[in-house]
Amino acid sequence: RKEVEQDPGPFNVPEGATVAFNCTYSNSASQSFFWYRQDCRKEPKLLMSVYSSGNEDGRFTAQLNRASQYISLLIRDSKLSDSATYLCVVNAEDSSYKLIFGSGTRLLVRP
Amino acid sequence: DTEVTQTPKHLVMGMTNKKSLKCEQHMGHRAMYWYKQKAKKPPELMFVYSYEKLSINESVPSRFSPECPNSSLLNLHLHALQPEDSALYLCASSQVRGFNTEAFFGQGTRLTVV
Repeated sequence: RKEVEQDPGPFNVPEGATVAFNCTYSNSASQSFFWYRQDCRKEPKLLMSVYSSGNEDGRFTAQLNRASQYISLLIRDSKLSDSATYLCVVNAEDSSYKLIFGSGTRLLVRP
Repeated sequence: DTEVTQTPKHLVMGMTNKKSLKCEQHMGHRAMYWYKQKAKKPPELMFVYSYEKLSINESVPSRFSPECPNSSLLNLHLHALQPEDSALYLCASSQVRGFNTEAFFGQGTRLTVV
């Protein structure tokens, strides 16, 4: 089983749609959770950290379910500029520095 | 805009060459990282420096040699690479603390080994 699993997509949605991504992780001892976005041939950029209480940043909402070991990202009112690959990231069991990246979920927002 | 700067942005090198990748950050971060990313794959951790000391080496071949001259700079020295080492090399930095330590990436160096 992969340490961090994501549906690769692509998710193809119209502008204005709401889309949700899920991610599961295998290490119950993980403490740090993040969503990054990566545009084609660019570096990953931090979208948001994910806290146990959940957090929201504008159109983006992240949730953490420790019991089920999954993380979600909800994007409301999708924009064309949201088209990217979204990477779920979790720290490894033995180190807070060792970030494990999921393979990413590709989102395509069409006009 | 990223506050982690990597040079060069592109590099083509032969298998007998020696080259270096450079990374600089001025965010006061004391942890710095090298990641390797192949096409259509997620980034994979190579090395972590904490307070200018190597703290993690993910069993990287010795043809990759990291160096952290000071708290703002991180180098990756390359020697006798193979074509399969062609990839995007990403530098990142973060604060040194417990958890939820957010890492920020540079734009990467796209390396081609011929």
